[in-house]
Formats: sequence, C-alpha cells, structure tokens
Amino acid sequence: DQQVKQNSPSLSVQEGRISILNCDYTNSMFDYFLWYKKYPAEGPTFLISISSIKDKNEDGRFTVFLNKSAKHLSLHIVPSQPGDSAVYFCAASRYGNQFYFGTGTSLTVIP
Amino acid sequence: DAGVIQSPRHEVTEMGQEVTLRCKPISGHNSLFWYRQTMMRGLELLIYFNNNVPIDDSGMPEDRFSAKMPNASFSTLKIQPSEPRDSAVYFCASSPSGRSYNSPLHFGNGTRLTVT
Repeated sequence: DQQVKQNSPSLSVQEGRISILNCDYTNSMFDYFLWYKKYPAEGPTFLISISSIKDKNEDGRFTVFLNKSAKHLSLHIVPSQPGDSAVYFCAASRYGNQFYFGTGTSLTVIP
Repeated sequence: DAGVIQSPRHEVTEMGQEVTLRCKPISGHNSLFWYRQTMMRGLELLIYFNNNVPIDDSGMPEDRFSAKMPNASFSTLKIQPSEPRDSAVYFCASSPSGRSYNSPLHFGNGTRLTVT
C-alpha cells in the first residue's frame, strides 16, 4: 500500500519556466519529507527536505512546500534548466526511520 | 568520502540460482536500508538496520529474501532461489542516525539484477 504517491509519471517544461512536482502522503505521523533526484544508472541523490514544523523550505532554485492539512507537498524549480531533467522522488519518514518513497516523476526540461 | 558502495553493479543469473548483493555504508552512518526499484512500486523499502540490528523487515517480499549486517561497514542482501520477477534495481542507502531529524539517506549506485 503506497503511503507516498506521485500521481504524475512525467512532466515537460520549457527551459526558464517553473517546474512543479507534486506528492501526496497518507500517514499523518510523517514528520520529515524529502525530495531526491535520480539520473539514469545512478542512485538517488538528496535534493531538499522539510520538517513538519515548517511549511516552506528554500535552497537556491529549489523550494519545497508542505501542506499538512492536505497531506501534500510540492517541489518548485525556478528557473528550470536542462540539467534538471531527471526522475524526482519524494519521500517521507517518521523520526528518520523507514523512509517511504513515491514512484517518481520524470522531468524533462526542453531547451 | 567514498559514499555508499554497492557491488556488483550488474548481476545476470538464471532462475533458481542464489544471488548475493553487497553494500558498504558511509563510515559513521549507523542506519542502513535496502530498497528495490520497480516501475510499478517505485522505491520499495525491503529492510533497514540500526546499529547492525534489523529493525523492520516487513518489506522483504518472501522468505527467499534475507539480509544481514555482520558489522557496521558491511551488509548483504541474498535471494535464494532467485526468480525472474526479482529482476529490478536494488539500492542500499545509509543514514547518520535512525532517530534524528534532518538526516537524509545517502544512496549507492545500485545493483541491476536480471534473472532469466
């Protein structure tokens, strides 16, 4: 049973525009949320995280928003660059244990 | 830091054979996780260890799967006997602490397993 869901398998965005990737979760006990980026033939790499006590965390071009009431988080990338083309996974955990991942969204940034 | 090291990168085997995947976590990390990536389920947690002790193995699909962590610097995931449906990419990840906030997982580059 998927506790973390990414309902959009793919997304295409023009270079320079905003990319918005979405993620929903079902377990209200999750208190730590993360986004990972994955290139082919490599392991996922950590991108940005947010704890449940916040609703926004920003790191350069990347911002994660958390809406606890809706059990929803999103990743905004602005401006999008061709090098951002990858598969993005969202993840959630409780107390830093048992990280649950979504199925991923493949982002393509068109030059 | 060398990161999480997994071996082999690719494994091709015949149905019924035993397969052993290996992982060396980042030094000092006391939590280790095994994941399997499939198209349908994404990254699926199989088992995780904290201080070399298995904490939760509820994600291990069948008794054919077993995992060990004999010391802080080494873990194995074994499939015996292997079946074609086990074909997937298997990732190992480690984390500085099992009960600490803001401790992301660090992944290895995975082992692509093909069972024919």
